[in-house]
Order: sequence, then C-alpha cells, then structure tokens
Amino acid sequence: EVQVVESGGGLVQPGGSLRLSCAASGFAFSNYSLNWVRQAPGKGLEWVSYISSRGSTIYYADSVRGRFTISRDNARNSLYLQMNSLRAEDTAVYYCAREHVGVYFDYWGQGTLVTVSS
Amino acid sequence: SYELTQPPSVSVSPGQTASITCSGDKLGDKYVCWYQQKPGQSPVLVIYQDGKRPSGIPERFSGSNSGNTATLTISGTLAMDEGDYYCQAWVIGTAWVFGGGTKVTVL
Repeated sequence: EVQVVESGGGLVQPGGSLRLSCAASGFAFSNYSLNWVRQAPGKGLEWVSYISSRGSTIYYADSVRGRFTISRDNARNSLYLQMNSLRAEDTAVYYCAREHVGVYFDYWGQGTLVTVSS
Repeated sequence: SYELTQPPSVSVSPGQTASITCSGDKLGDKYVCWYQQKPGQSPVLVIYQDGKRPSGIPERFSGSNSGNTATLTISGTLAMDEGDYYCQAWVIGTAWVFGGGTKVTVL
C-alpha cells in the first residue's frame, strides 16, 4: 500500500526555521517526482515546490523561492522541505504529494500544520 | 505568472448537473486535472488529462478542455459530491498551478 506521511510541523516564530519531512512507503520511491503543496486555513491549495526523481530538477513557487529548500534522500525514502525566514503567511497545512509521470498527483499525505506566530 | 480562475461557488440540486469552469490563457494547450477535497481530508484526484477518470471515480464525473476553459461536469449530482474542487495544470517555466477552488453545494 502506498503511503506518504508528513511530519515536522509546529509553532514557530516569524523569522524562524522549520524542517518538514515526508516518509514514503509502498512504492519505488526513487522512480517518482514529488511535490509539496500547502493550504492556508480556510483557503485553497497552493503548490510550493517540485523535485524530480533523482533530485536533479527543482522548482519553487515565487512565494517561497529563496527561503525554502526542497530535497530528498532516495536511500531513506524521504522528502524534505527546509523552511527559513518564515512569515505569518506561511501558516498552512503542508502536504507531500507523489506525482504520476508529470500528469497528476496520485497520492497525498494527511498533511502537517505549520503555524507561524509570535 | 500563470493563473487559473475558478468560480468561488456552484450550487446544484440533487440529481442535476453541476459544471465547474477553470480558465487560463491557452489552457486548452495544456493538460488539466481536477481534485475533490472534503473538509478535513486530503485532495482526491477525480479527472486527469482533461477528461480521464481514475479507477474508482464514478462515471458521473467528466471533464473537457478547449480554448481558454476547462470544465468539470458532475452529472446526476449526489449529496456526497459536496466539497471543494480544484483544477490543476503544468505550466512550462512555472511548474504546477492550482485554481483557486470552487465550493460545490448540493441543495
């Protein structure tokens, strides 16, 4: 069974840092591109970042470029999102999503809540 | 930056047809997929590559895409179809883009 499980969310002060993790199982992790998607409370989905199967291609949304860093460890079946210089507007549930051959996101985690507040 | 525009809400009577639009510049040149999200849950894919249904998605869900507009159609809408619906597309130079979402209410 395919599973992706996010962790690492929590309360952080503005300007602080947080590292999210996504642990995957049930599929050949190194064969798939992965994404982070966030959803602010009561708002819509916002794509955050993409990483290719081997990590050679990375994209970021304009809203996080220069502050967030996506990475992966294929040996550990894990995806990461290092978030620096956090702002109140980064408050959201962050989802890890497996991408199916550049066509759609077929598996989503349950999300991890990040709250940026003093 | 590229934007996908959806109506904030759509209301439909049980058994009727709901149509949700997603607009973007030359969207018909791109593949569009659609997700359903219910409160407190993660999104679920209901349509991909404009009009294909994943395994397990009822036939009442269909999609089309032409010109600047993609449309998700729910035929014979059921109460269980209530939720938020998001369109998504891959845009060269931008990567993934989501529409703002449409709340479907079955009255």
